[in-house]
Amino acid sequence: AQKITQTQPGMFVQEKEAVTLDCTYDTSDPSYGLFWYKQPSSGEMIFLIYQGSYDQQNATEGRYSLNFQKARKSANLVISASQLGDSAMYFCAMREGGNRDDKIIFGKGTRLHILP
Amino acid sequence: DTAVSQTPKYLVTQMGNDKSIKCEQNLGHDTMYWYKQDSKKFLKIMFSYNNKELIINETVPNRFSPKSPDKAHLNLHINSLELGDSAVYFCASSQTTQYFGPGTRLLVL
Repeated sequence: AQKITQTQPGMFVQEKEAVTLDCTYDTSDPSYGLFWYKQPSSGEMIFLIYQGSYDQQNATEGRYSLNFQKARKSANLVISASQLGDSAMYFCAMREGGNRDDKIIFGKGTRLHILP
Repeated sequence: DTAVSQTPKYLVTQMGNDKSIKCEQNLGHDTMYWYKQDSKKFLKIMFSYNNKELIINETVPNRFSPKSPDKAHLNLHINSLELGDSAVYFCASSQTTQYFGPGTRLLVL
């Protein structure tokens, strides 16, 4: 079974609109962390935002926010006021537990296209 | 300042050759990783080291051998390269959040 599911392989959004990228996860570990990364066409992996399973508030970083719904096991990324430079591949990822064996599992990604 | 660096950025080589990719991080992190990203963009962990000790070894052919001379470096050596090894290889380091290097694009001809 997939641990991280991103159901949208691709999305097209008009510039300046808000975007929600879906991510659901599967874990029985009470302690985990959720991440979003951006991979533009240049190829580098850019860390965007992190949410810990015990964090009470949804994480925010500038135009990025993470809509964390623990009961639904979802961690959607919201990008406000999208820009052309937001066009990229976006990966949701999860780390289970807090041990040294802190493997991060990635979803298959969503390719976001921002239209002018 | 570059946090996680990898060399080379591009590597084109013939099948059967042996090659190495180097990775260095200046973040003071204890844990370093190697990931492989295939042509469909799927990222899969290969290895992780914590303070020079191998922690994760994910069913990777033994042609791949990581080496960590110190906790700031994690190199990847690949013997007898095969066509299927063509991919982008990312190094990463973490304390809590993983930070990635720029990737090494390996093409095996």
